[in-house]
Amino acid sequence: SQTIHQWPATLVQPVGSPLSLECTVEGTSNPNLYWYRQAAGRGLQLLFYSVGIGQISSEVPQNLSASRPQDRQFILSSKKLLLSDSGFYLCAWISGLLNTEAFFGQGTRLTVV
Amino acid sequence: KNEVEQSPQNLTAQEGEFITINCSYSVGISALHWLQQHPGGGIVSLFMLSSGKKKHGRLIATINIQEKHSSLHITASHPRDSAVYICAVRWRGAYSGAGSYQLTFGKGTKLSVIP
Repeated sequence: SQTIHQWPATLVQPVGSPLSLECTVEGTSNPNLYWYRQAAGRGLQLLFYSVGIGQISSEVPQNLSASRPQDRQFILSSKKLLLSDSGFYLCAWISGLLNTEAFFGQGTRLTVV
Repeated sequence: KNEVEQSPQNLTAQEGEFITINCSYSVGISALHWLQQHPGGGIVSLFMLSSGKKKHGRLIATINIQEKHSSLHITASHPRDSAVYICAVRWRGAYSGAGSYQLTFGKGTKLSVIP
C-alpha cells in the first residue's frame, strides 16, 4: 500500500539556523511530490514540486530550497531560517493519473524563534 | 486567478447536530478533495470527488460540477469531529508537468463540536 512519511512533526529553531525536513514515500515509483506551507491564517500554498530525481520546480521565491536525491525522497531545506519561515509544512504525493488519490504526510509545525 | 473559497470559516455546533461545510471554486476542476486537519496538525484525506456523492460513515461529500460547488456534511456530530476541514481542488487543464496536478487549497473551516 502507498504511504508517505514526513518528519519531524514539530520543530523549534532559532533564526539563522539551518533546516532540513524529510519526506519519503512507499508503495510507488517515480511519484510526483510536493511541498506546501501554511502560514498563520492562510491556506496551504505550493512551494516546490518534483517529477523525478534531481528535478525541482519552485512556485514562489523564498528562503527555502528543495532536493530530490532519491526517487522516493523529497527534502525541504534552508541555510538560514527567518522568522517568516514559521508555519506548517506539508509533503504531498499526488498521482499523475487523473481522479486518483492524493496522499499527505503528517506535516511539520515549524516555529522560528 | 483560480480560487477556492470555503464557508463558514468557523463553526461551532452542539453534539448531535447536522453540519454542512461549503466549498466553491472559480473554474473547471478534474477533482476535489476534502481533508481533515486535527489540532496536532496531521492531515487526513477524507474524500476525493469528481462527480456525484460519496459517503463514509457519518461523513457525506457532494459535488455539483455545473455550479462549481461542493459540500461536506457530518451527521450526528461528535466532539471528536472537531478539526479543521479543508477543501482542495485539482484544476482541469492541459498536462504541462507535475505542476498541473498540484492542489489549490481553501483556507479551511474550523469546526468545534461541543458536548
